[in-house]
Amino acid sequence: AQSVTQLDSQVPVFEEAPVELRCNYSSSVSVYLFWYVQYPNQGLQLLLKYLSGSTLVKGINGFEAEFNKSQTSFHLRKPSVHISDTAEYFCAVTLEYGNKLVFGAGTILRVKS
Amino acid sequence: DAGVIQSPRHEVTEMGQEVTLRCKPISGHNSLFWYRQTMMRGLELLIYFNNNVPIDDSGMPEDRFSAKMPNASFSTLKIQPSEPRDSAVYFCASSFTDAGAGELFFGEGSRLTVL
Repeated sequence: AQSVTQLDSQVPVFEEAPVELRCNYSSSVSVYLFWYVQYPNQGLQLLLKYLSGSTLVKGINGFEAEFNKSQTSFHLRKPSVHISDTAEYFCAVTLEYGNKLVFGAGTILRVKS
Repeated sequence: DAGVIQSPRHEVTEMGQEVTLRCKPISGHNSLFWYRQTMMRGLELLIYFNNNVPIDDSGMPEDRFSAKMPNASFSTLKIQPSEPRDSAVYFCASSFTDAGAGELFFGEGSRLTVL
């Protein structure tokens, strides 16, 4: 079965600094990978997804992620964060042609002024 | 287009009472998912339906939990009897999946507190 590990439970960063949120997955077959964001008291919304093709995926709000098959990673990056990026970020994986999305434990991004 | 609609947004009940959470998926979506979110366990998939049929209920904690999807526009998650450890935020999500990898659209959640 597939699984996801988010290596940091919390990441504090100053406004306008770059940030990387780390995600590693485990699967013996091909997977699709996702990043979701959850703002306080809201549901999750999709930031970006990797299905195939270019390993660098661009999403909403200036975020991007790079799929690295050899390292089984899908780290999320943003070159310059804003206060409004403060939220919890979830990495998720599903098997190729699968329907069951498995989420990591989440990383809380705290952007400070 | 309206998103996934969940009700109630907040529910406070006493141990032993029956709780029913409701979800209206996005029109045209053919898959529906129920997730539970807690601080201790994170996001857990409880059950998902495809074309109104339960496909995988392996995440349902125990027999006190049941879920139904009588038609494409409505689903319920019922807990009977409820216990304090059921306190959590329950999310419903829907997607259109043809060959997998459908984007999940989440509702705003139902926050359940069992006293």
